[in-house]
Amino acid sequence: SQQGEEDPQALSIQEGENATMNCSYKTSINNLQWYRQNSGRGLVHLILIRSNEREKHSGRLRVTLDTSKKSSSLLITASRAADTASYFCATGKGAQKLVFGQGTRLTINP
Amino acid sequence: DVKVTQSSRYLVKRTGEKVFLECVQDMDHENMFWYRQDPGLGLRLIYFSYDVKMKEKGDIPEGYSVSREKKERFSLILESASTNQTSMYLCASSITGNSYEQYFGPGTRLTVT
Repeated sequence: SQQGEEDPQALSIQEGENATMNCSYKTSINNLQWYRQNSGRGLVHLILIRSNEREKHSGRLRVTLDTSKKSSSLLITASRAADTASYFCATGKGAQKLVFGQGTRLTINP
Repeated sequence: DVKVTQSSRYLVKRTGEKVFLECVQDMDHENMFWYRQDPGLGLRLIYFSYDVKMKEKGDIPEGYSVSREKKERFSLILESASTNQTSMYLCASSITGNSYEQYFGPGTRLTVT
């Protein structure tokens, strides 16, 4: 059962611009994570935000979490060509399992 | 760094064959997972294991089985491959705790003809 839904499904921006992706989920969670997947490769963990946190930063990444709206956003500032990838949100609730969304495909144009 | 390796990057099998996909992690993680990834469907959990010889079904276990005889190795078995099992298969591992962060292998793209 897929819980997370990313929006938009695809995003294309110019290098240097900021990229924002959103994730919505349906049930209560312990934490929410964002992963990146380069074409045809495995996923790489980017950042985790716990249910009692509202905002978290890591380098050019900023994640927000609104548990009342059951939503999260990932902001990538000053985008680079190397940021071109698919981005997935994943929610954790129990038993060490994660539920992944369908992903946002981000393209950075030079 | 955690390293998760998968036995093959690309695999082509015939309908009805028995297929083994192997995954090995080198960080003594308790938990291991098998997902399949299909366009428009994201990642779907097939099976996971939280200890040696322990396994639990995920969201789409039909047509698959798993084996975990050693902590570092988690195998996915397609008993009789079918064309609808053509997909990207991803293995992941994690340590038991309150972070749930998963470490992924590079994936195996399986084509069943």
